[in-house]
This record gives sequence, structure tokens and C-alpha cells, in this order.
Amino acid sequence: EDKVVQSPLSLVVHEGDTVTLNCSYEVTNFRSLLWYKQEKKAPTFLFMLTSSGIEKKSGRLSSILDKKELFSILNITATQTGDSAVYLCAVEPSYSGAGSYQLTFGKGTKLSVIP
Amino acid sequence: GAVVSQHPSRVICKSGTSVKIECRSLDFQATTMFWYRQFPKQSLMLMATSNEGSKATYEQGVEKDKFLINHASLTLSTLTVTSAHPEDSSFYICSADTGTGKYNEQFFGPGTRLTVL
Repeated sequence: EDKVVQSPLSLVVHEGDTVTLNCSYEVTNFRSLLWYKQEKKAPTFLFMLTSSGIEKKSGRLSSILDKKELFSILNITATQTGDSAVYLCAVEPSYSGAGSYQLTFGKGTKLSVIP
Repeated sequence: GAVVSQHPSRVICKSGTSVKIECRSLDFQATTMFWYRQFPKQSLMLMATSNEGSKATYEQGVEKDKFLINHASLTLSTLTVTSAHPEDSSFYICSADTGTGKYNEQFFGPGTRLTVL
């Protein structure tokens, strides 16, 4: 059974701090790992990672994947109150065409950034 | 705990047919369930919010007569895509919360891939 575990479950930091969110996974036939930010009802897409060791960056956010150790981290530097959200990690299996195509989501990390 | 399942995981249908997708909370009661469409490398698009025993609330631009939602029990919500067309082909994801209505207590299902030929 595919599994995605995120840690910590919640985190409170002060503005300006740097945070690292973790996502470990066990999945058959891995294709990609996805990070989302959920502030309201609909998660917004952040990154898709498919290759080990290649950092993806967007402003103060960056993420990297380790396919050998089966985990990914999401870094946020110089945090702002607007970064407060739930960050979701999801793993996408290979789509063989004959099999199913389903994501496995982690439970999320709730980040609170206080002024 | 807090497992959400969807069935089927994948469905292929002909244009003009209707398809029903089920979303179940397996080990908790979900007063509220949410239905999303996901496009590759894009954010999940909220389609509707489903409350047990009442009519669903649809987001702007989502046709309620086309995407019928029924939340008949505290553990089951269904999405029926009526008269499906190829443009309805997508990945549909549901989520369920434990009843407080807060976004940070949602648990996501694994999704259903719909392909309309």
C-alpha cells in the first residue's frame, strides 16, 4: 500500500525564520512528487519533482527530492505571515495505461508564521 | 486514521454517458466533503462543497446540472458527471473533513481518472 508521511504535523515560527518541511514516501512505481500550499479550500500547486538531487526553486521556496532515501523537503526562507498555510505533499505513481492512476496525499504540515 | 477512498480509481466511458464517482470516509464521519478537478502541474480546482443532507454549494463556473453531487450519508458523497464529453476528461479528487469546516482538517482521497472517448 502506498504511503506518504509528512512531518512535522504542525509548526509555529516567527517571521524571518527558515523552515524545512519533510515528506517521506513508499510507493510502487514512483513517477513524481508534488507539493501544494493550501490556504483556503483548494490547494495551489507549488512544485513537481521527478528527478533526484535537482532543486526546484520559486522565490523563497525550494524543494528537492531524494529517490534513494524516498523523501523530499520543502524549504521556505525568510518566512512571512502570508506563508501560513497547510503544505501538502502527494506522490504520483507511474501511469501504465493498464493500471490505476491515483495520488497518495500526506496529511499535511500546518505552518503558522507569527509576526 | 482519517482515510478517504474513491471508487473507481479509473473509468473510461463513451461521450454522452454518465459516470458516478464515489468518495468515502472510511474511519470517520465527514459532515463536509469537497470535490476538485486536477489538471497536470496545476492547482486543484474546487468544484463544489458537499454537506451531508443538503444541497451542494458549487463554485462559480461549475455547472450543477452537469456535475451532480449527492451527500447521502456522513461517510459517502457521490459525483455524477452527466452526459460526459471529452472535455470532462480529468482527474477528480475528493476530500473530507471531520466537521469543523476548517481547511486544515481535510483529508484527501486518491482521485479518479476519467477519460471520455
